[in-house]
Amino acid sequence: NAGVTQTPKFRILKIGQSMTLQCAQDMNHNYMYWYRQDPGMGLKLIYYSVGAGITDKGEVPNGYNVSRSTTEDFPLRLELAAPSQTSVYFCASKGQGGDLAKNIQYFGAGTRLSVL
Amino acid sequence: TQLLEQSPQFLSIQEGENLTVYCNSSSVFSSLQWYRQEPGEGPVLLVTVVTGGEVKKLKRLTFQFGDARKDSSLHITAAQPGDTGLYLCAGRTGGGNKLTFGTGTQLKVEL
Repeated sequence: NAGVTQTPKFRILKIGQSMTLQCAQDMNHNYMYWYRQDPGMGLKLIYYSVGAGITDKGEVPNGYNVSRSTTEDFPLRLELAAPSQTSVYFCASKGQGGDLAKNIQYFGAGTRLSVL
Repeated sequence: TQLLEQSPQFLSIQEGENLTVYCNSSSVFSSLQWYRQEPGEGPVLLVTVVTGGEVKKLKRLTFQFGDARKDSSLHITAAQPGDTGLYLCAGRTGGGNKLTFGTGTQLKVEL
């Protein structure tokens, strides 16, 4: 009953370092999303994917890259970490279809990233 | 860029009080969702409203979608400490599979 799993939970990076945030879902969902959330604020979409091999930019993609080689996994890559990327990152997935029951995004517990 | 503004941004009340959170936009949404997020966790869906003027109730929570589908409200009756959290509205446009999230309302209910 895992749902959406994100690793790591916490990470501290130095400016200029790179890292990959992992996201995996076991619900066979086509849609996956990466968001960032600054303290006490809403979520901003970084990248999303509508299926394996297909990704697209969201609202705030600069400084990030993604790939979707399998249905289950949707890693987010930071190439040159900057202090502005200090945030909490959430991955979410959603099933396909237009009815209300399938239009629910399921979120992971988040990765808290600090860039110092 | 579609914006969803929530008000108030912060709300601190005593147990038993009533409150209303607003979610406003200049854009029309095909559906609107409300999520609650607790510290250290991801948002969890509370409700989806689809029809203009629609009202949905979830125990002590009442959700309303505006007639023009540009705004929504969340009313909590007799708030309890367990209601504490960050409340987020999120709108979906057309048949798209992306959500635009609101700015969030941080609610604290004290004994």
